[in-house]
Parts: sequence; C-alpha cells; structure tokens
Amino acid sequence: GAGVSQSPRYKVTKRGQDVALRCDPISGHVSLYWYRQALGQGPEFLTYFNYEAQQDKSGLPNDRFSAERPEGSISTLTIQRTEQRDSAMYRCASGDGGRTDTQYFGPGTRLTVL
Amino acid sequence: DAKTTQPPSMDCAEGRAANLPCNHSTISGNEYVYWYRQIHSQGPQYIIHGLKNNETNEMASLIITEDRKSSTLILPHATLRDTAVYYCIVIGAGGTSYGKLTFGQGTILTVHP
Repeated sequence: GAGVSQSPRYKVTKRGQDVALRCDPISGHVSLYWYRQALGQGPEFLTYFNYEAQQDKSGLPNDRFSAERPEGSISTLTIQRTEQRDSAMYRCASGDGGRTDTQYFGPGTRLTVL
Repeated sequence: DAKTTQPPSMDCAEGRAANLPCNHSTISGNEYVYWYRQIHSQGPQYIIHGLKNNETNEMASLIITEDRKSSTLILPHATLRDTAVYYCIVIGAGGTSYGKLTFGQGTILTVHP
C-alpha cells in the first residue's frame, strides 16, 4: 500500500516568510510524528499526535513552530517568520499503533531559507 | 530510554554477512531494541525490532544477548544497496510519547564489491 507522503518535497523561501509542510500518513495509522534532520545528523523529534490530539510538543524549538492534525489524518507543520537556521530536512512518520508504535517515515521536505 | 553505543563505521564485502553490534547496557525490562537504516538522503527505513527473543524477517535478523545488554543486527548477504547509516534505538512501551525515537550517530556500513 501507499506509504507516508510529504509535500512539498523541496521548499525554498525567503527569511521572514511563513511555510507550511504537509504530511499524509499511512492509511489507518493513528499516530503521527514530526522530526527535523540537520545534514550529517540523525532525525530529532519535534512533536507527536495521537489521532488529532497533540500529545507531545516538547521538541518544537520555539513558538514560531506549530503543528496540527485537525481530523486525525493529514498533518501540517507550520513555521512562521522563517530564519536561516530553520533550514533542514523535515521528516514525518506514522505509527502502526503496536506496543511501541513502529514508525514508518516519509521522504521528507527539504526546507531552505535564504 | 536507554542510551545505545554503536561503532561509527564498518565495512563489508558484497555477498558476505554484515554483523552490526549495538551496546545498550542500561536497557530496562520493558524496553525494545529497534533498528532503522537511512540510505543517503532518504527517510529512515524500519528494519526490525525485538524485546528479548531473537527475531528474523525478510530484511535481517536481530540477535539479543541473554542479559539484553547488547544486540547484533545481521544482514545475511549484504549487497551494495545495503550501504547506509544503521541506527540502533532503545524505546519503551507505553507512555504519552511511547514511540518517540532518539537517533544517535549510528554506524555507517559500507558494502564493497
């Protein structure tokens, strides 16, 4: 079946602009995670949803970052007033709901802030 | 979640078995060992996970020592396409962020022709 999809795959924006990154999870997966990955590093946790409820947002770096999942399926990660340090690969994963919620990752969105 | 230690890099000849070690000496009783890999800039790919018994699937085998303080991921017949960064992650069951993955530096596996 279809895996996790993310759009856009690449986003170039100017400093100060807002961006919205979309994640479409695997059908039937109730959990959804956002991670950020800098070049040469492993992904770092940003936030997690169980259905539409945001259960943990401890990894969001500051209040310019927000995420929502209003209907418990598609999620949007929004970055307001982007800064150059926000440039990274943003990864989304959905979980299968097992004891440890095995996660399956999407291809990511490469964000470049000029 | 328990911390893991992996060698920074390993080499393997194509067609041979690749054995990737991971130490997790502080693992607790309800924590699972997970393996993911990341090929170039692709998203991390789930490989296998286990609690205390050895596990095998179509991709790999996972051998966990009896004291659960270490494990080995085995790719039985490595191919060039298995060249990737391999991450060993320990994660507990349950809790409000029970699936949250903490990636370390991983092991860069290079498979040579």
